[in-house]
Amino acid sequence: QSALTQPPSASGSPGQSVTISCTGTSSDVGAYNYVSWYQQHPGKAPKLMIYEVSKRPSGVPDRFSGSKSGNTASLTVSGLQAEDEADYYCSSYAGTPYVFGTGTKVTVL
Amino acid sequence: QVQLQQSGPGLVKPSQTLSLTCAISGDSVSSNSGAWNWIRQSPSRGLEWLGRTYYRSKWFNDSAVSVKSRITINPDTSKNQFSLQLNSVAPEDTAVYYCAREIGEGFDYWGQGTLVTVSS
Repeated sequence: QSALTQPPSASGSPGQSVTISCTGTSSDVGAYNYVSWYQQHPGKAPKLMIYEVSKRPSGVPDRFSGSKSGNTASLTVSGLQAEDEADYYCSSYAGTPYVFGTGTKVTVL
Repeated sequence: QVQLQQSGPGLVKPSQTLSLTCAISGDSVSSNSGAWNWIRQSPSRGLEWLGRTYYRSKWFNDSAVSVKSRITINPDTSKNQFSLQLNSVAPEDTAVYYCAREIGEGFDYWGQGTLVTVSS
């Protein structure tokens, strides 16, 4: 099972929006509405930000939103804040059952 | 509040067995709604799901194809914890290992991570 493809980096100024893509195949992202997104700060464990494509766990700001079209899922962070600077990873159920994305470093300029 | 506390050695010799334990508080390893996973992270392989154990009237286990022949994940209901054993380790198994709870196809609680180095 190959890793899902994410852009290595993304950036935006405070208050702006940034969107991260996560491209898979018809066997993972395209087959299931089970895409999740994780935020990871240096030296810390990943934190669940989005699950089942677009649902937010309790405590996650509504600035974070998720969507999916075909084999590509997306995470949008609106109203960027300094604390949003982190690595972001997507994950999809894939029958194996799980595969992760390659990761995107988000920089707040 | 669910908490996962990992324990185990940080150094393992090549060809030996990597063993880690994840103690659960705030939930039960026998929960009918959760699953208990091991995930690792390294610069070369990124995040990699390794396997899970879960209870749905009986115990089930799944594992990644890449480690299927070497991995064992066991629940311990008496101590409310679960364990990872990875046999015949090699330097490429060097990684930070995490345990995590899976609910609704998302990993919502994670252990603190254990850096395991495979070296003689």
